[in-house]
Amino acid sequence: DGGITQSPKYLFRKEGQNVTLSCEQNLNHDAMYWYRQDPGQGLRLIYYSQIVNDFQKGDIAEGYSVSREKKESFPLTVTSAQKNPTAFYLCASKEDSNTGELFFGEGSRLTVL
Amino acid sequence: GQQVMQIPQYQHVQEGEDFTTYCNSSTTLSNIQWYKQRPGGHPVFLIQLVKSGEVKKQKRLTFQFGEAKKNSSLHITATQTTDVGTYFCAGPLGTYKYIFGTGTRLKVLA
Repeated sequence: DGGITQSPKYLFRKEGQNVTLSCEQNLNHDAMYWYRQDPGQGLRLIYYSQIVNDFQKGDIAEGYSVSREKKESFPLTVTSAQKNPTAFYLCASKEDSNTGELFFGEGSRLTVL
Repeated sequence: GQQVMQIPQYQHVQEGEDFTTYCNSSTTLSNIQWYKQRPGGHPVFLIQLVKSGEVKKQKRLTFQFGEAKKNSSLHITATQTTDVGTYFCAGPLGTYKYIFGTGTRLKVLA
């Protein structure tokens, strides 16, 4: 089945540690996204990538980093510079067109102790 | 920067009552999408509107795109407990940068 896989689903880390969240898609989509969702809040864009080896900052990129070395993969690193990293992280992908829906993974819930 | 606001933030309705959420963008959108997120789940695409003044229906759900392409609404007729969740609108800045609205959380009381 085609889709987006995020891992891990739950992650606990100590303050000051970097963590990397995985996002893999087999939909052959060019565009991939990372959003952050806080309890009772909307989705805020962290980074997005239109194509391999290219990515752009979203609205809340500070304290995060990404890479896009392969079309299928768009990992997100939450660095120690991110002041409030505890959140629900959602990865999405979209086909290359002016329209078309975003397909989301099931999310990764990060808790920093 | 561009903002996409939704009202209300929360809505509690009795089962069978109607529900409407409104989405307002600070800039004109080329298209607008609606998503539903069940509690504990991830957003799932519902529909996309492209044309000015467009109206689309999916069973009990009616979606509208404003004439100026800066606002949209989702109306649910005769809500059911399965309608519970948070409804988001989303619009593109350019081709790839999709911005989501603040969401409306719907609770349906049986």
